[in-house]
Amino acid sequence: ILNVEQSPQSLHVQEGDSTNFTCSFPSSNFYALHWYRWETAKSPEALFVMTLNGDEKKKGRISATLNTKEGYSYLYIKGSQPEDSATYLCASNYGGSQGNLIFGKGTKLSVKP
Amino acid sequence: GAGVSQSPSNKVTEKGKDVELRCDPISGHTALYWYRQRLGQGLEFLIYFQGNSAPDKSGLPSDRFSAERTGESVSTLTIQRTQQEDSAVYLCASSEGDVSTYEQYFGPGTRLTVT
Repeated sequence: ILNVEQSPQSLHVQEGDSTNFTCSFPSSNFYALHWYRWETAKSPEALFVMTLNGDEKKKGRISATLNTKEGYSYLYIKGSQPEDSATYLCASNYGGSQGNLIFGKGTKLSVKP
Repeated sequence: GAGVSQSPSNKVTEKGKDVELRCDPISGHTALYWYRQRLGQGLEFLIYFQGNSAPDKSGLPSDRFSAERTGESVSTLTIQRTQQEDSAVYLCASSEGDVSTYEQYFGPGTRLTVT
Protein backbone atom coordinates (compact mmCIF):
# COMPACT_ATOMS: atom_id res chain seq x y z
CA ILE A 1 0.00 0.00 0.00
CA LEU A 2 1.44 3.37 -1.04
CA ASN A 3 1.51 5.93 1.75
CA VAL A 4 2.08 9.67 1.58
CA GLU A 5 3.05 11.20 4.91
CA GLN A 6 2.94 14.85 5.90
CA SER A 7 4.48 16.54 8.89
CA PRO A 8 3.77 18.25 11.10
CA GLN A 9 0.06 17.50 11.43
CA SER A 10 -0.57 21.09 12.55
CA LEU A 11 1.41 24.24 12.95
CA HIS A 12 0.74 27.55 14.69
CA VAL A 13 2.87 30.55 13.73
CA GLN A 14 2.80 34.30 14.18
CA GLU A 15 2.18 36.67 11.31
CA GLY A 16 5.50 37.40 9.60
CA ASP A 17 7.12 34.06 10.51
CA SER A 18 8.47 31.89 7.75
CA THR A 19 7.58 28.24 7.93
CA ASN A 20 7.97 24.98 6.10
CA PHE A 21 6.50 21.51 6.12
CA THR A 22 7.33 18.13 4.70
CA CYS A 23 5.75 15.58 2.41
CA SER A 24 7.29 12.10 2.26
CA PHE A 25 6.37 9.58 -0.41
CA PRO A 26 7.63 6.29 -1.84
CA SER A 27 10.17 7.10 -4.55
CA SER A 28 9.78 4.03 -6.74
CA ASN A 29 7.62 4.37 -9.85
CA PHE A 30 7.06 8.03 -8.99
CA TYR A 31 5.54 10.29 -11.65
CA ALA A 32 4.40 13.54 -10.04
CA LEU A 33 3.92 15.39 -6.78
CA HIS A 34 1.07 17.85 -6.24
CA TRP A 35 0.58 20.49 -3.54
CA TYR A 36 -2.89 21.91 -2.75
CA ARG A 37 -4.16 24.50 -0.30
CA TRP A 38 -7.53 23.82 1.31
CA GLU A 39 -9.11 26.70 3.15
CA THR A 40 -12.07 26.08 5.43
CA ALA A 41 -15.41 26.16 3.58
CA LYS A 42 -13.65 26.31 0.19
CA SER A 43 -12.45 23.81 -2.42
CA PRO A 44 -8.84 22.58 -2.50
CA GLU A 45 -6.80 24.85 -4.76
CA ALA A 46 -3.76 23.69 -6.72
CA LEU A 47 -0.41 25.23 -5.82
CA PHE A 48 2.17 23.18 -7.70
CA VAL A 49 2.65 20.08 -9.85
CA MET A 50 6.23 18.88 -9.77
CA THR A 51 7.80 16.01 -11.67
CA LEU A 52 11.58 16.33 -11.89
CA ASN A 53 14.15 15.62 -9.22
CA GLY A 54 15.53 18.95 -7.98
CA ASP A 55 12.48 20.84 -9.22
CA GLU A 56 11.79 24.12 -7.44
CA LYS A 57 8.60 26.10 -7.97
CA LYS A 58 7.44 29.42 -6.59
CA LYS A 59 4.14 31.28 -6.41
CA GLY A 60 4.36 34.56 -4.55
CA ARG A 61 5.54 33.86 -1.01
CA ILE A 62 5.08 30.10 -1.37
CA SER A 63 7.70 27.80 -2.85
CA ALA A 64 8.31 24.06 -3.03
CA THR A 65 11.18 21.72 -3.71
CA LEU A 66 11.22 18.10 -4.82
CA ASN A 67 13.65 15.23 -4.18
CA THR A 68 12.41 12.17 -6.04
CA LYS A 69 15.40 10.00 -5.18
CA GLU A 70 14.85 10.18 -1.45
CA GLY A 71 11.10 10.72 -1.69
CA TYR A 72 10.36 14.07 -0.11
CA SER A 73 9.09 17.54 -0.91
CA TYR A 74 9.21 20.70 1.17
CA LEU A 75 6.71 23.53 1.05
CA TYR A 76 7.94 26.91 2.27
CA ILE A 77 5.91 29.98 3.16
CA LYS A 78 7.85 33.20 3.60
CA GLY A 79 6.42 35.89 5.89
CA SER A 80 3.21 34.05 6.79
CA GLN A 81 -0.02 36.05 6.71
CA PRO A 82 -3.36 35.20 8.39
CA GLU A 83 -4.82 34.47 4.95
CA ASP A 84 -2.28 31.64 4.57
CA SER A 85 -4.19 29.75 7.27
CA ALA A 86 -5.35 26.54 5.60
CA THR A 87 -4.64 22.85 5.33
CA TYR A 88 -1.83 22.10 2.89
CA LEU A 89 -2.15 18.77 1.10
CA CYS A 90 0.42 16.92 -0.91
CA ALA A 91 -0.36 14.03 -3.24
CA SER A 92 1.69 11.63 -5.34
CA ASN A 93 1.00 9.98 -8.65
CA TYR A 94 2.48 6.55 -9.38
CA GLY A 95 0.87 5.34 -12.53
CA GLY A 96 1.35 8.25 -14.90
CA SER A 97 -1.67 8.44 -17.11
CA GLN A 98 -2.92 5.17 -15.66
CA GLY A 99 -2.83 6.34 -12.10
CA ASN A 100 -4.60 8.52 -9.60
CA LEU A 101 -3.35 10.74 -6.77
CA ILE A 102 -2.60 9.43 -3.31
CA PHE A 103 -3.06 12.19 -0.76
CA GLY A 104 -1.42 12.78 2.58
CA LYS A 105 -3.55 13.85 5.54
CA GLY A 106 -2.32 17.42 5.30
CA THR A 107 -0.62 20.00 7.48
CA LYS A 108 -3.01 22.46 9.10
CA LEU A 109 -1.43 25.90 9.33
CA SER A 110 -2.79 28.62 11.59
CA VAL A 111 -1.27 32.09 11.33
CA LYS A 112 -2.03 34.44 14.22
CA PRO A 113 -2.13 38.18 13.52
CA GLY B 1 -14.99 30.75 -16.20
CA ALA B 2 -17.17 28.26 -14.41
CA GLY B 3 -15.44 25.92 -12.03
CA VAL B 4 -16.36 22.40 -10.97
CA SER B 5 -19.81 22.28 -9.45
CA GLN B 6 -21.38 19.59 -7.29
CA SER B 7 -24.88 18.96 -6.07
CA PRO B 8 -26.38 18.71 -3.60
CA SER B 9 -24.09 20.59 -1.22
CA ASN B 10 -25.54 18.74 1.75
CA LYS B 11 -27.46 15.49 1.94
CA VAL B 12 -28.90 13.82 4.99
CA THR B 13 -30.27 10.35 4.41
CA GLU B 14 -31.46 7.41 6.42
CA LYS B 15 -29.42 4.25 6.63
CA GLY B 16 -30.38 1.86 3.87
CA LYS B 17 -31.49 4.51 1.36
CA ASP B 18 -29.78 5.11 -1.97
CA VAL B 19 -28.18 8.47 -2.77
CA GLU B 20 -26.94 10.04 -5.97
CA LEU B 21 -24.29 12.76 -6.07
CA ARG B 22 -23.64 14.88 -9.12
CA CYS B 23 -20.51 16.52 -10.50
CA ASP B 24 -20.26 19.01 -13.37
CA PRO B 25 -16.61 19.27 -14.43
CA ILE B 26 -14.94 22.20 -16.13
CA SER B 27 -15.81 22.16 -19.82
CA GLY B 28 -13.10 20.49 -21.86
CA HIS B 29 -11.52 18.62 -18.98
CA THR B 30 -11.02 15.01 -20.03
CA ALA B 31 -10.24 13.61 -16.59
CA LEU B 32 -12.66 13.43 -13.66
CA TYR B 33 -12.03 12.07 -10.16
CA TRP B 34 -14.15 11.29 -7.13
CA TYR B 35 -12.70 11.40 -3.62
CA ARG B 36 -14.15 11.27 -0.15
CA GLN B 37 -12.93 12.58 3.17
CA ARG B 38 -14.25 10.94 6.28
CA LEU B 39 -13.86 12.70 9.62
CA GLY B 40 -10.22 12.84 10.69
CA GLN B 41 -9.01 11.12 7.53
CA GLY B 42 -7.23 12.27 4.38
CA LEU B 43 -8.69 12.46 0.91
CA GLU B 44 -9.45 8.94 -0.28
CA PHE B 45 -9.52 8.17 -4.01
CA LEU B 46 -12.69 6.49 -5.24
CA ILE B 47 -12.81 6.44 -9.04
CA TYR B 48 -11.15 8.07 -12.06
CA PHE B 49 -12.52 8.68 -15.55
CA GLN B 50 -10.20 9.62 -18.44
CA GLY B 51 -11.90 10.42 -21.72
CA ASN B 52 -13.52 7.34 -23.21
CA SER B 53 -11.22 4.87 -21.49
CA ALA B 54 -12.53 2.35 -18.99
CA PRO B 55 -12.70 4.02 -15.56
CA ASP B 56 -10.26 3.15 -12.78
CA LYS B 57 -12.61 1.86 -10.08
CA SER B 58 -9.87 0.59 -7.81
CA GLY B 59 -10.76 2.97 -4.97
CA LEU B 60 -14.44 2.12 -4.64
CA PRO B 61 -14.82 0.67 -1.12
CA SER B 62 -17.64 -1.78 -1.88
CA ASP B 63 -20.05 -2.85 -4.60
CA ARG B 64 -22.62 -0.46 -3.11
CA PHE B 65 -20.65 2.34 -4.76
CA SER B 66 -20.84 3.02 -8.49
CA ALA B 67 -20.20 5.97 -10.76
CA GLU B 68 -20.99 6.92 -14.32
CA ARG B 69 -19.77 9.56 -16.69
CA THR B 70 -21.10 10.17 -20.16
CA GLY B 71 -18.29 11.26 -22.46
CA GLU B 72 -16.52 14.24 -20.96
CA SER B 73 -19.52 15.69 -19.18
CA VAL B 74 -21.44 15.20 -15.97
CA SER B 75 -20.68 12.37 -13.59
CA THR B 76 -22.89 10.80 -10.95
CA LEU B 77 -21.73 8.82 -7.94
CA THR B 78 -24.36 6.45 -6.56
CA ILE B 79 -24.25 4.86 -3.14
CA GLN B 80 -26.79 2.10 -2.60
CA ARG B 81 -28.09 0.98 0.79
CA THR B 82 -26.15 3.70 2.60
CA GLN B 83 -24.40 2.90 5.86
CA GLN B 84 -23.29 5.23 8.62
CA GLU B 85 -19.65 4.74 7.64
CA ASP B 86 -20.48 6.32 4.27
CA SER B 87 -20.88 9.69 6.02
CA ALA B 88 -18.20 11.92 4.53
CA VAL B 89 -17.52 14.87 2.28
CA TYR B 90 -17.49 13.66 -1.31
CA LEU B 91 -15.28 15.76 -3.59
CA CYS B 92 -15.16 15.75 -7.34
CA ALA B 93 -12.21 17.09 -9.34
CA SER B 94 -11.47 17.50 -13.02
CA SER B 95 -8.28 18.15 -14.98
CA GLU B 96 -7.20 18.84 -18.54
CA GLY B 97 -5.35 15.55 -18.64
CA ASP B 98 -3.80 12.99 -16.38
CA VAL B 99 -2.29 13.90 -13.02
CA SER B 100 1.24 13.00 -14.07
CA THR B 101 1.22 16.49 -15.60
CA TYR B 102 -1.97 18.44 -14.85
CA GLU B 103 -3.31 19.93 -11.65
CA GLN B 104 -6.79 19.08 -10.46
CA TYR B 105 -9.62 21.54 -10.00
CA PHE B 106 -11.92 20.60 -7.15
CA GLY B 107 -15.60 21.20 -6.61
CA PRO B 108 -17.04 22.42 -3.31
CA GLY B 109 -18.03 18.93 -2.23
CA THR B 110 -21.18 17.20 -1.05
CA ARG B 111 -21.46 16.57 2.69
CA LEU B 112 -23.30 13.29 3.16
CA THR B 113 -24.69 12.37 6.55
CA VAL B 114 -26.22 8.96 7.03
CA THR B 115 -28.42 8.72 10.11
